[in-house]
Amino acid sequence: GENVEQHPSTLSVQEGDSAVIKCTYSDSASNYFPWYKQELGKGPQLIIDIRSNVGEKKDQRIAVTLNKTAKHFSLHITETQPEDSAVYFCAASRGGGSNYKLTFGKGTLLTVNP
Amino acid sequence: NAGVTQTPKFQVLKTGQSMTLQCAQDMNHNSMYWYRQDPGMGLRLIYYSASEGTTDKGEVPNGYNVSRLNKREFSLRLESAAPSQTSVYFCASRPRRREHTEAFFGQGTRLTVV
Repeated sequence: GENVEQHPSTLSVQEGDSAVIKCTYSDSASNYFPWYKQELGKGPQLIIDIRSNVGEKKDQRIAVTLNKTAKHFSLHITETQPEDSAVYFCAASRGGGSNYKLTFGKGTLLTVNP
Repeated sequence: NAGVTQTPKFQVLKTGQSMTLQCAQDMNHNSMYWYRQDPGMGLRLIYYSASEGTTDKGEVPNGYNVSRLNKREFSLRLESAAPSQTSVYFCASRPRRREHTEAFFGQGTRLTVV
């Protein structure tokens, strides 16, 4: 099955700095890579996703890059703000429809210090 | 819209007791999922239901059973709770389409087995 490794497990940055979280996956057939943000006491919420036919995607201060050859993808957050503090999960999936099963990384606790 | 609603939010069980975690979604989604979240382990898939009337095992199904009661509801049952089942449980749903779509998560049920 798919295996997703995520690093680092914790990340502390100063407000305004950039944060980068990296993930690798094992299944070359995976073609969908979402990122979820989980605030304390809440369920995960999708913040950005990327499909295997795209190398990079941006949404305001958040960007995700994908390197299919190396089987790794990364989340980039620029101009970090205290409200970005949360646990971030990467995930990978192959197929759609009934084959849709997300495999998650173990998460990164991001702390943005004011 | 309420989205994905889980009940209860908190529960303490004694070893050997049984209970059912309830999940309901009001987004007319076909597919529903149960995950467990443990410290340092990320989110692991327990069971899923690709559509009404079907259920399949995920990564960690032992000790659990599920029922897709109708399109809206997907319950998770622990027949004989064990301390190893202490965890936070999340239900999720998504539309079933050929392409990948966002999974929406509930707020979670925090279960402690003593």
